[in-house]
Amino acid sequence: GAGVSQTPSNKVTEKGKYVELRCDPISGHTALYWYRQSLGQGPEFLIYFQGTGAADDSGLPNDRFFAVRPEGSVSTLKIQRTERGDSAVYLCASSLTTRGSSPLHFGNGTRLTVT
Amino acid sequence: GDSVTQMEGPVTLSEEAFLTINCTYTATGYPSLFWYVQYPGEGLQLLLKATKADDKGSNKGFEATYRKETTSFHLEKGSVQVSDSAVYFCALLRGSTLGRLYFGRGTQLTVWP
Repeated sequence: GAGVSQTPSNKVTEKGKYVELRCDPISGHTALYWYRQSLGQGPEFLIYFQGTGAADDSGLPNDRFFAVRPEGSVSTLKIQRTERGDSAVYLCASSLTTRGSSPLHFGNGTRLTVT
Repeated sequence: GDSVTQMEGPVTLSEEAFLTINCTYTATGYPSLFWYVQYPGEGLQLLLKATKADDKGSNKGFEATYRKETTSFHLEKGSVQVSDSAVYFCALLRGSTLGRLYFGRGTQLTVWP
């Protein structure tokens, strides 16, 4: 079956612009996660959703970052007034439940470059 | 705070060599521990896990034992293959509910024939 799909795979934008990154989780997965991976680093937690609500958004670096999941399926990560330091690979993952025994399934990521 | 420290790479081995990738952690309580792998051009995927002290996770010939006394979860494989070339990430989760995973920096493994 289909895995987690992220679009676009690459995004180049100018400093100060607004961007939206999309994540389509595996069908039926109730939990959805966003991580950010900078070059040479491991993934860094941003936010996770249980259904439509953000269960933990403590990883969002500042108020320029916002994420939604209005129907409990597709999620969009929104970044306002982008800065060069936002350049990274943004990873989305989903899991069937939030129990620790339910593995995360990651997408291939969106590589964001802010020039 | 919670954190994971992995041995720095890259690691380069010949086929059939023994592999160890070190991972140590800092956490309050009793975290669950994971190894994730990222093959070239693919997304991260779970390799193995252990949820309590002395548990051994295993998959595809890889093993890791949760050692509370040394706060370690080292990844081992007795005989690596070229197809094992990938980036390996150690991670921890506090509690039993998935949410905020803490990842190490990753270790690049290259296996030569």
